Amino acid sequence: AQSVTQLDSQVPVFEEAPVELRCNYSSSVSVYLFWYVQYPNQGLQLLLKYLSGSTLVKGINGFEAEFNKSQTSFHLRKPSVHISDTAEYFCAVSEARRGYQKVTFGTGTKLQVIP
Amino acid sequence: DTEVTQTPKHLVMGMTNKKSLKCEQHMGHRAMYWYKQKAKKPPELMFVYSYEKLSINESVPSRFSPECPNSSLLNLHLHALQPEDSALYLCASSQGGASSYNEQFFGPGTRLTVL
Repeated sequence: AQSVTQLDSQVPVFEEAPVELRCNYSSSVSVYLFWYVQYPNQGLQLLLKYLSGSTLVKGINGFEAEFNKSQTSFHLRKPSVHISDTAEYFCAVSEARRGYQKVTFGTGTKLQVIP
Repeated sequence: DTEVTQTPKHLVMGMTNKKSLKCEQHMGHRAMYWYKQKAKKPPELMFVYSYEKLSINESVPSRFSPECPNSSLLNLHLHALQPEDSALYLCASSQGGASSYNEQFFGPGTRLTVL
C-alpha cells in the first residue's frame, strides 16, 4: 500500500522568508506524487505533480518540489512566501486503478505566514 | 471548463431530515469521487464512481447513499445522520479510463452541520 508522511503539522514562517514543507512517501511501485493547497473553507487546488522525468517540478504560485527517490522524499519549497500563502498543504500519492485514481493524502501541514 | 461545482455550499440538518448534496462537472470525466473532511484532517475517500458504476464504497454507513444519474452528475443522499457526520464534503472528478494517471479536480465542498 502506498502512503505519505508529513512530519510537520504546522510551519510558521515570516513573510518573504523561504519555506520547505516536508513529505516522505512509501511505495513499492511507480509513484505519482502531488501537492495540494487548501485555503480556509475551500476545496483542494493542485499545486504541482510528479509523474516521471525531471525530478524538479515547478508548480503554481512560485512553488516547486524535488522528487528524491533515494530518500523517498518530495519536499515542497518556495523561496519567498507571501501572506496569501497561509493555508493547509497536503502531500498525496496516487495509484492508478481500473477507471479511477486512488489518492492517499498526508495529514497536512498548516503554513502560517507571519507579517 | 475545468470546474467542479457543488451545491449547496452550506447545509444544516436535523438527525431526522433527508437531504441531498449535488456535484456536477462538464469536463467529460468518467470517474467521480466523494470525500469527507473533518476539521484539521485530510480528506477521506467515501465513494468512487467509474463510468457511472460504483467502484469503491469505503465501508461508509448506509445513512449515506451515493447516486450517479449520468456521467456529469453525482449525488449524495443523506438520511438519519448523526452529529459526528458534520464535516466538509468534497466532490472530485478525473478522466477515468485505463491510462496510468489522471488528475483529480476538486469542488469547493459542502459544509454540513448535523444538529
